[in-house]
Amino acid sequence: DTGVSQNPRHKITKRGQNVTFRCDPISEHNRLYWYRQTLGQGPEFLTYFQNEAQLEKSRLLSDRFSAERPKGSFSTLEIQRTEQGDSAMYLCASRDRERGNTEAFFGQGTRLTVV
Amino acid sequence: AQTVTQSQPEMSVQEAETVTLSCTYDTSENNYYLFWYKQPPSRQMILVIRQEAYKQQNATENRFSVNFQKAAKSFSLKISDSQLGDTAMYFCAFMFLNRDDKIIFGKGTRLHILP
Repeated sequence: DTGVSQNPRHKITKRGQNVTFRCDPISEHNRLYWYRQTLGQGPEFLTYFQNEAQLEKSRLLSDRFSAERPKGSFSTLEIQRTEQGDSAMYLCASRDRERGNTEAFFGQGTRLTVV
Repeated sequence: AQTVTQSQPEMSVQEAETVTLSCTYDTSENNYYLFWYKQPPSRQMILVIRQEAYKQQNATENRFSVNFQKAAKSFSLKISDSQLGDTAMYFCAFMFLNRDDKIIFGKGTRLHILP
């Protein structure tokens, strides 16, 4: 297992377009988190999953954002009608909650630029 | 809501010196974890050290140690014998020990180790 994988690594899109990011967690990790990080800031919580169930979505997140984790494996984060303010690094992390592991493992992120 | 505050946006120290990064948090609960994560330039975030709130003994991992003051809600990170590879963003983070176990991050401290 090579860790948490995120694709694409970089995405440039025009304002108004839809984008989708993918996260492949470490296998058998049941918790999966999505965060957004802008330059020089800490990761901001977006949403998280226990297997395929979405547990919580940040109240700061607009309805243009949606996430799924079908079958409890990989997850996708979609942003519809992108705006320039959506430009950020989107981070995914996974954790093995079943075994009581508290450490979250992060991917390298997807950097989104909206022009 | 839980908050994590890091009051030092940026710090610089000479190689081999000791440096302490500050973190305070706010919660009314008793059972939680605290973490320090490191994010090197253009690389993924990794866990440096963790502390269980019910343990009085401060956690230590090689050159990294914490000073956990539960009553004061303070959780500082001490890096001894600092090395050039310690240059990174450091994030203090908080997580409950229950179903609501999303990880909340502070804004980070950018640490420069000078040769």
